[in-house]
Amino acid sequence: ETGVTQTPRHLVMGMTNKKSLKCEQHLGHNAMYWYKQSAKKPLELMFVYNFKEQTENNSVPSRFSPECPNSSHLFLHLHTLQPEDSALYLCASSQDLGTDQPQHFGDGTRLSIL
Amino acid sequence: QKEVEQNSGPLSVPEGAIASLNCTYSDRGSQSFFWYRQYSGKSPELIMFIYSNGDKEDGRFTAQLNKASQYVSLLIRDSQPSDSATYLCAVKGYGGSQGNLIFGKGTKLSVKP
Repeated sequence: ETGVTQTPRHLVMGMTNKKSLKCEQHLGHNAMYWYKQSAKKPLELMFVYNFKEQTENNSVPSRFSPECPNSSHLFLHLHTLQPEDSALYLCASSQDLGTDQPQHFGDGTRLSIL
Repeated sequence: QKEVEQNSGPLSVPEGAIASLNCTYSDRGSQSFFWYRQYSGKSPELIMFIYSNGDKEDGRFTAQLNKASQYVSLLIRDSQPSDSATYLCAVKGYGGSQGNLIFGKGTKLSVKP
């Protein structure tokens, strides 16, 4: 039990589908993150939210749309994805954005685009 | 472009030996340094973090930081087969975009029984 729960664990979708990834943290943290992990590449930060407000969009294509209704929940809405978007999508949380605050990760959603 | 470099490995050590994992970073303003362990198909798990120059020990793990050389390492004593995983180095600076974690590609460690 990591304290950060992601659903679904696996998702297969066509390029024209619309789906959403969900993340919930039970750690009482105020900051939440979306990362993309592809083979042979380092984890790529996508979005950062602090107290429900987006503080970072790391030049992510608009086919990825995040939503943070409260400090415990984070969504990633997916629309018209490309095959190169197939990857492991990881959610993380931290107490706040301070430099001394470690991030705790969920188990990820393995996304495959057909 | 801020970068974190790690040898991708695989690093192979016999059971009971010391495994030494190294990481260099490009941004001199980096303030915090984290080591994560990631088993295949699993999420990254925080092992240790270090902020000050020198050594920090936690059980079989020791993190070493040298800010002048922009170098951070992780030593694993008495390595066990269960330590076989990919080890990710991550670096963080001050607030705003500098506060974001920058990850290396990871070093794959294999501990042979």
